[in-house]
Amino acid sequence: DAKTTQPPSMDCAEGRAANLPCNHSTISGNEYVYWYRQIHSQGPQYIIHGLKNNETNEMASLIITEDRKSSTLILPHATLRDTAVYYCIVRLRGGSGGSNYKLTFGKGTLLTVNP
Amino acid sequence: KAGVTQTPRYLIKTRGQQVTLSCSPISGHRSVSWYQQTPGQGLQFLFEYFSETQRNKGNFPGRFSGRQFSNSRSEMNVSTLELGDSALYLCASSLGQGASSGNTIYFGEGSWLTVV
Repeated sequence: DAKTTQPPSMDCAEGRAANLPCNHSTISGNEYVYWYRQIHSQGPQYIIHGLKNNETNEMASLIITEDRKSSTLILPHATLRDTAVYYCIVRLRGGSGGSNYKLTFGKGTLLTVNP
Repeated sequence: KAGVTQTPRYLIKTRGQQVTLSCSPISGHRSVSWYQQTPGQGLQFLFEYFSETQRNKGNFPGRFSGRQFSNSRSEMNVSTLELGDSALYLCASSLGQGASSGNTIYFGEGSWLTVV
């Protein structure tokens, strides 16, 4: 799986948009970008994923650059409950075999939403 | 629809003992995987089961084992516990193997194991 690079920490004011960057410059055409977050002492929570188009769901938006070498997770109106470690992960697309059966977590970004 | 359910949520064991953790995947999910999370090593993949067979295994000693039942429920076992096995053990499930648009991996809340 391609490696990702994320800033170790970020701050955001409550009610403002939180923009979390991720660099995945070695991503291949067959790899998805996934975002998870983990609130202290809980299991990772799936947020969103994409291949090459921008994606939006009820939790967040995912913006992937045209060359796919980086992406940004956007939480449009951050709340205190969004304080968590956010993980950007790339995962090989396809069927069984290879390394696409698992998620390889890095250290993620600790997002702190301040009142 | 219920999420991934793990039991027990917390447990304390003594060195040398063994422990069994249980996981019920999301209904309809056939792939179950296990991860270990420690402060020093972060989240690491243990193994993955699909159709009652272990399909993939991470870099952990043989003391760590698991199984999957016909209803896709899974258990993992750690024998001869060591202090370093203290960790959050996470179970995750997905519809099938491999990454595809509909094959997202969902995690349970985890089982906190403390070895004393």
